Amino acid sequence: DQQVKQNSPSLSVQEGRISILNCDYTNSMFDYFLWYKKYPAEGPTFLISISSIKDKNEDGRFTVFLNKSAKHLSLHIVPSQPGDSAVYFCAARLTGSARQLTFGSGTQLTVLP
Amino acid sequence: DVKVTQSSRYLVKRTGEKVFLECVQDMDHENMFWYRQDPGLGLRLIYFSYDVKMKEKGDIPEGYSVSREKKERFSLILESASTNQTSMYLCASSFATRTGGNTIYFGEGSWLTVV
Repeated sequence: DQQVKQNSPSLSVQEGRISILNCDYTNSMFDYFLWYKKYPAEGPTFLISISSIKDKNEDGRFTVFLNKSAKHLSLHIVPSQPGDSAVYFCAARLTGSARQLTFGSGTQLTVLP
Repeated sequence: DVKVTQSSRYLVKRTGEKVFLECVQDMDHENMFWYRQDPGLGLRLIYFSYDVKMKEKGDIPEGYSVSREKKERFSLILESASTNQTSMYLCASSFATRTGGNTIYFGEGSWLTVV
C-alpha cells in the first residue's frame, strides 16, 4: 500500500514558467514532509521541507505548500530553469519512526529552453 | 558537508554470486539506510540500522542482508545475486529522529547489473 503517491510520472514546462509538482499521502500521522531532487547517476539531494504545523515554506525559487485536510502537498518552482530538470521525490516522516521517511515514486521534470 | 560514500559506482556480477556493497558516512549519524531505486517505483527501503549491530527490515528485504559493525559503516549483502536485483542502490544516513533528524543524506549510488 503506497502511503505517499506522486501520480504524475512526468511533467514538461517551458523555461521561465511555473512548475508545480504534486504529492498525496494517506497516513495522517505523517508530521514532516520533504522534497528531494535527483539527477541521473547521482544520489538524491535534499531540496526543501515543511512541518505539518505549517502550510507554506519558501526558499528562493522553491515553495512547498501543505494542505493537511486534503492530505496533499505541492512543490512550486518559479521561474523554472533548464537546470531544474531532474526527478523530484516527495517524502513523508512518520512521528517517532526510526525508519524515518517514506518516498513517493517520483516525477520527472523537464524544463524546455 | 555531509559525506556518504559508496565504495563501488558500477558493478557487473553473475547470477548466484555473493555481492557486497559498502557505505561509509563521516557525520557520526546514528541511522543508516539502504534503498534501491527502480523506474516507476521510487525509492524502496531494503534495510535500515539505528545503531551499531542493530538492523531492521524495510519494505523489500528478501534476498538481502546487512551488517553494521561500526557506526560509520553499513554494508548491504546480496547472498546469491539474481537478475531481478539489477538496480541502483542508494545508501543514506541521518541523525536519530529523537535528536531532530529529519533529513536523510544520500550517497551517489551504486549501479549493479546481474547477468
